[in-house]
Amino acid sequence: GQNIDQPTEMTATEGAIVQINCTYQTSGFNGLFWYQQHAGEAPTFLSYNVLDGLEEKGRFSSFLSRSKGYSYLLLKELQMKDSASYLCAVLDSNYQLIWGAGTKLIIKP
Amino acid sequence: GAVVSQHPSRVICKSGTSVKIECRSLDFQATTMFWYRQFPKQSLMLMATSNEGSKATYEQGVEKDKFLINHASLTLSTLTVTSAHPEDSSFYICSASRQGEPYEQFFGPGTRLTVL
Repeated sequence: GQNIDQPTEMTATEGAIVQINCTYQTSGFNGLFWYQQHAGEAPTFLSYNVLDGLEEKGRFSSFLSRSKGYSYLLLKELQMKDSASYLCAVLDSNYQLIWGAGTKLIIKP
Repeated sequence: GAVVSQHPSRVICKSGTSVKIECRSLDFQATTMFWYRQFPKQSLMLMATSNEGSKATYEQGVEKDKFLINHASLTLSTLTVTSAHPEDSSFYICSASRQGEPYEQFFGPGTRLTVL
């Protein structure tokens, strides 16, 4: 079966750095997405990785290792507005998105 | 670009009635649209995938006669929840992908459905 694992909840301090991990087992791979979702709102796109390595975009970076079936989202200089759920999703061989359950990130002052 | 709208944003209805939710791509042509449902504190659950002009493909366990999907044009898809019951109360989200870019989905703002 297809499976995506990410921690249920994480807590971090304002101004700090946090890394949210995601491991996956899917039938084929056409890329991995990270989305941010605030409570009661739809997801918003953060990043897309299809090749191994680190993609940096401002305070957010995303890393992919296809051989390990592993990705992480790195958030730097945390702000209170970063409190949200972070969803990892993999595009399988049929170009269908397989979603993780999401990681709820709580930022404390 | 790549803006997707949904209407209504919130709807409250009585049990047994039908509710229609519209999903529109405002500034691009959406060859494929997706309908998701999300229960509180859970991840997105794909309900169905629809391509313009053809029947929707429903995920296992989703009743196609209860959740009617119409993708009549390249900018509009509708989801009708027929004979709604309280257990259908959920957050319904649509997304759309552009022609030639099947890997990225653009999400609508979602519709909160409450069935009394």
